[in-house]
Amino acid sequence: DAKTTQPNSMESNEEEPVHLPCNHSTISGTDYIHWYRQLPSQGPEYVIHGLTSNVNNRMASLAIAEDRKSSTLILHRATLRDAAVYYCILEGGTSYGKLTFGQGTILTVHP
Amino acid sequence: SQTIHQWPATLVQPVGSPLSLECTVEGTSNPNLYWYRQAAGRGLQLLFYSVGIGQISSEVPQNLSASRPQDRQFILSSKKLLLSDSGFYLCAWSGTNSGANVLTFGAGSRLTVL
Repeated sequence: DAKTTQPNSMESNEEEPVHLPCNHSTISGTDYIHWYRQLPSQGPEYVIHGLTSNVNNRMASLAIAEDRKSSTLILHRATLRDAAVYYCILEGGTSYGKLTFGQGTILTVHP
Repeated sequence: SQTIHQWPATLVQPVGSPLSLECTVEGTSNPNLYWYRQAAGRGLQLLFYSVGIGQISSEVPQNLSASRPQDRQFILSSKKLLLSDSGFYLCAWSGTNSGANVLTFGAGSRLTVL
């Protein structure tokens, strides 16, 4: 299964944009790119997903590189409630429906 | 709307005792169901998944088992708990439409084995 690489941690200030990177150089043509986040002592929460085109929803935007070997989750205005572990996950092929969570990126938001 | 319920929220069990965690989903039919475990300070590990009643696939060998007696009910069990079974257990569901599988997680069950 294709794997993802994310920085261990990132920091941001409140009300500033946050760009969370993810590398997935071995992605296959049918793999979806998912982002989830997990707040302390809670289950993961779906954020956004995409295949080839950039995606926007009420929570965030997902920018996918043209070669699909990397993507960026964009939080347009970080709030203290956005402090969480963010996971970038590929889904497809033999992993269909079974998401493999890595270590993710710990996002710290400063007031 | 769909909701997922998971219980108990927390439990403390002695080594060697049995375990039963239950998960139910409302507002959908024939969901894919998943059990994940998160050890302290670590990522999530997929334990079991199910695409239908009585259909269980195990992802890792372990001291646990899963069952799906009804379409929207998923149970995680153990006959004899080990210290290494401690962790945060999460149930999740996804639809079975073609395309991306978006998982919705329950609130989790925190198990401490002493």
